[in-house]
Amino acid sequence: DTEVTQTPKHLVMGMTNKKSLKCEQHMGHRAMYWYKQKAKKPPELMFVYSYEKLSINESVPSRFSPECPNSSLLNLHLHALQPEDSALYLCASSQEAAGGSYEQYFGPGTRLTVT
Amino acid sequence: DAKTTQPTSMDCAEGRAANLPCNHSTISGNEYVYWYRQIHSQGPQYIIHGLKNNETNEMASLIITEDRKSSTLILPHATLRDTAVYYCIVRVDLFISGNTPLVFGKGTRLSVIA
Repeated sequence: DTEVTQTPKHLVMGMTNKKSLKCEQHMGHRAMYWYKQKAKKPPELMFVYSYEKLSINESVPSRFSPECPNSSLLNLHLHALQPEDSALYLCASSQEAAGGSYEQYFGPGTRLTVT
Repeated sequence: DAKTTQPTSMDCAEGRAANLPCNHSTISGNEYVYWYRQIHSQGPQYIIHGLKNNETNEMASLIITEDRKSSTLILPHATLRDTAVYYCIVRVDLFISGNTPLVFGKGTRLSVIA
């Protein structure tokens, strides 16, 4: 199984709502990632988790709160978002490197619209 | 910042080889060249990667110049389903730095035409 699943596929939320995005993989990968992709732009890294610990935060606003409850799950909690946060949110996973190079597997993304 | 330069867009006739160039003139000796593609409204998909030797898999071939300053991704028989944005990414050897995330540039939008 080389699949990364993301739910929901689409999400519309108001600026005062609290919602969560969920990502799951069962490939035994110990590195997981959140990327944000605006329309017609490349994906931009938001967070990296390594062995369930946050290892990289690319200066993301606190209204985005990641969580890695176990090695298979990655959540992104959303609160008080702005319309400019509307984007495709991509989750990815990969082996945690002991050396060499490893590919990242991406999920299909959650398309978020903030109204 | 992305360390690669790619043409913004390219067209290719269906059934012909698609050759996508990438410049990475500042690549270091311990950096790999990765290629991913993103079909519309899907997550990026890994294609191939290499260090200095040419590589081939079931999807594509990767040709890296001897000085490693540029590379070409070859899709040998392009189909309509290969229409996508193709990203060339330079990434340091994970043994050196631990797991590093991908930094995407703008990519090349490949349109395969019937």
